[in-house]
Amino acid sequence: GESVGLHLPTLSVQEGDNSIINCAYSNSASDYFIWYKQESGKGPQFIIDIRSNMDKRQGQRVTVLLNKTVKHLSLQIAATQPGDSAVYFCAERGVPADKLIFGTGTRLQVFP
Amino acid sequence: DTAVSQTPKYLVTQMGNDKSIKCEQNLGHDTMYWYKQDSKKFLKIMFSYNNKELIINETVPNRFSPKSPDKAHLNLHINSLELGDSAVYFCASSQGRGGEQYFGPGTRLTVT
Repeated sequence: GESVGLHLPTLSVQEGDNSIINCAYSNSASDYFIWYKQESGKGPQFIIDIRSNMDKRQGQRVTVLLNKTVKHLSLQIAATQPGDSAVYFCAERGVPADKLIFGTGTRLQVFP
Repeated sequence: DTAVSQTPKYLVTQMGNDKSIKCEQNLGHDTMYWYKQDSKKFLKIMFSYNNKELIINETVPNRFSPKSPDKAHLNLHINSLELGDSAVYFCASSQGRGGEQYFGPGTRLTVT
């Protein structure tokens, strides 16, 4: 069946360091992946996406890497800030296209 | 200038009751969704509507009935509430099926 999962439930990093959040997916036919950030008491917020014909995509302080060979997705956050503290989800577009399959989430904690 | 809004934000009710959650979006989107997030933060799609037409209906008990009076609104009615219905329910919207989804702030439902 379809599933998207994360390796680490909680990640603690020091302010200023880089963060890497990982995600594994099982559907090799998936063509589109998204990272969401969910702050406490709020809904998920889009961060960055990547299509399966790409290996890497960069945004402002964030980079998403896609390794289709091992069905692995990662989110890199440069110079992590306290405001980055949140739960991060990867999501995979399923069938039909408006169906997003979310991973279990990783909590990122940033300490001074 | 709230994009996706939900009411109420908190809902506490007893088993067996019937309750509704309302969602409105002012983004002009044509597709709306309901998601359920459990206590472990797992986020799963329940329903999606495109131009008021039901597109996705995941394996949700028929006690849950979505209703879309127009493209800007998607309500969720729940009959005979059970303890397991306790969760945070998120509404989302997108322009087109497969478009970037914008999430509301969530409704925390507690069934006692």
